[in-house]
Amino acid sequence: DVKVTQSSRYLVKRTGEKVFLECVQDMDHENMFWYRQDPGLGLRLIYFSYDVKMKEKGDIPEGYSVSREKKERFSLILESASTNQTSMYLCASIGQDTQYFGPGTRLTVL
Amino acid sequence: RKEVEQDPGPFNVPEGATVAFNCTYSNSASQSFFWYRQDCRKEPKLLMSVYSSGNEDGRFTAQLNRASQYISLLIRDSKLSDSATYLCVVNVPFRSGGGADGLTFGKGTHLIIQP
Repeated sequence: DVKVTQSSRYLVKRTGEKVFLECVQDMDHENMFWYRQDPGLGLRLIYFSYDVKMKEKGDIPEGYSVSREKKERFSLILESASTNQTSMYLCASIGQDTQYFGPGTRLTVL
Repeated sequence: RKEVEQDPGPFNVPEGATVAFNCTYSNSASQSFFWYRQDCRKEPKLLMSVYSSGNEDGRFTAQLNRASQYISLLIRDSKLSDSATYLCVVNVPFRSGGGADGLTFGKGTHLIIQP
């Protein structure tokens, strides 16, 4: 019954490293989203994609980039990780009548 | 003004009580509305959509008032397992016109059901 998977549940990286977070959905959805969730701030949209190779900035895109080469896969990239990017990262896949989140990746940047 | 506002709680209520959550949204162009539930250290999960006519799913009732830009969730006969954070979610059309509607989340209301 897998719907949205994320490559790692927990990740620890060092400042300056390049970090890849992968998200895969098996529902043939066109719309995929990356959020981060922080205490007191709720979920904030980083980037989204509405089709292969299409991407749009969300509310907090600074320090991030994304890649959507295949419909089922949406990757979030931290070009040079910083400590303020320590957070829970959630991928979402949204279709006509269905919305699912992945289990989340808890990223710690040291 | 924040796009989606909720009372953060926590709401501490005894088992069996009725509890109500409220939420307001600022973007009058919003078209779809949802309540999500998030358990501790888990991802948010869709609880129910909210329709203009109001809708009910078992012990849960959701209502929408477009004129006041207000959404509510009512839980009757609350159970211990209802303890969670409830997120009010609004679909906000993106300005880019790219064709995707995005979900804007409230910060959530924390509910604790006590035995």
